Amino acid sequence: TQLLEQSPQFLSIQEGENLTVYCNSSSVFSSLQWYRQEPGEGPVLLVTVVTGGEVKKLKRLTFQFGDARKDSSLHITAAQPGDTGLYLCAGDQADSWGKLQFGAGTQVVVTP
Amino acid sequence: EPEVTQTPSHQVTQMGQEVILRCVPISNHLYFYWYRQILGQKVEFLVSFYNNEISEKSEIFDDQFSVERPDGSNFTLKIRSTKLEDSAMYFCASILDREAFFGQGTRLTVV
Repeated sequence: TQLLEQSPQFLSIQEGENLTVYCNSSSVFSSLQWYRQEPGEGPVLLVTVVTGGEVKKLKRLTFQFGDARKDSSLHITAAQPGDTGLYLCAGDQADSWGKLQFGAGTQVVVTP
Repeated sequence: EPEVTQTPSHQVTQMGQEVILRCVPISNHLYFYWYRQILGQKVEFLVSFYNNEISEKSEIFDDQFSVERPDGSNFTLKIRSTKLEDSAMYFCASILDREAFFGQGTRLTVV
């Protein structure tokens, strides 16, 4: 099993601040996805990155896939209380397409 | 917007009983998955299903588990004889173009 380590586990910031969460592995992933999960609900896909060095932006969220396709980051600019949630990264590998390995998640809390 | 739907949302069952969890994937998707999440732990892969057969399964997915797509829409996960440690959220997902869409989950509680 290829592990995805997410850091930090928990992040509490004030509204308007920026934050970055990280997803790291010693293994190469074919693709890496970021999800957001609310309590008692299923993960909701935010973005998929497939190319090393790729950067994708989704409004105030910026996602980056490492050049070696072993790590990724999620950066939120000017965080809002609505950004509060559990952020999960998940990756799959070329020989197991769609079989996602999930990280443990980063719980983000944005206070007004 | 198309979505994956799961029923029931919550199932309580006695140890040793059989349960069937149901999922309706997004209609034009071809790859279907079951994942589970034990409270406080990571989301774990159980099984993938393509072209009416299992394409991959994890070590969790033992002989007590089975999946089926009995018609063109439903995708089911059966646990034949539930154990206490089967208590978890079970998520169905379907994938198109590398984008996975998850259902809201079924919370299974084995007592």
